[in-house]
Amino acid sequence: DQQVKQNSPSLSVQEGRISILNCDYTNSMFDYFLWYKKYPAEGPTFLISISSIKDKNEDGRFTVFLNKSAKHLSLHIVPSQPGDSAVYFCAACYNFGNEKLTFGTGTRLTIIP
Amino acid sequence: EAGVAQSPRYKIIEKRQSVAFWCNPISGHATLYWYQQILGQGPKLLIQFQNNGVVDDSQLPKDRFSAERLKGVDSTLKIQPAKLEDSAVYLCASRPKQGREETQYFGPGTRLLVL
Repeated sequence: DQQVKQNSPSLSVQEGRISILNCDYTNSMFDYFLWYKKYPAEGPTFLISISSIKDKNEDGRFTVFLNKSAKHLSLHIVPSQPGDSAVYFCAACYNFGNEKLTFGTGTRLTIIP
Repeated sequence: EAGVAQSPRYKIIEKRQSVAFWCNPISGHATLYWYQQILGQGPKLLIQFQNNGVVDDSQLPKDRFSAERLKGVDSTLKIQPAKLEDSAVYLCASRPKQGREETQYFGPGTRLLVL
């Protein structure tokens, strides 16, 4: 039972363009959503989060959008840089970030110089 | 500030053998997690400790997996006996007691291959 889904296993984007990574969830009890970035041989690192009371959160080049009615969120990276090449995981949790992360399967982003 | 330390980084064993992983969390972090990440999947929580008490072990296969966190600091995860499907990266993470899940810091993981 995959409650958090990332349907695109991989994505290639030209340097300087926008990268859009998508995530869908099925459990309407989730109220806090996060994106993690993972380089090879390293653990995931937190990137950005959004509460279900918002529909957008921005941090520098990274913006996360949440569409609760569609149970969908997306991560926008503008402009994309070579250092952004990594695996990106979407995650969801309960109690506004205080309980138990459920991760998606990840999307491998490759930025083409 | 030192990060979450894990050892070994890699381990190859044969099925039915036993294996143990070690984790040293960030100093002062009360909450410690063990995750299993199978190739092509996201990390899946196996067990969560608060200090040395278990908060959630609902997804830990208790017939073969065990974990302990003595004195509320270091933790070990053991598999006995290992199966082929246990091949995965085992991630340890820690966070402060007062903090959202996003304040989890992950270690580099232990990559296990069961032959």
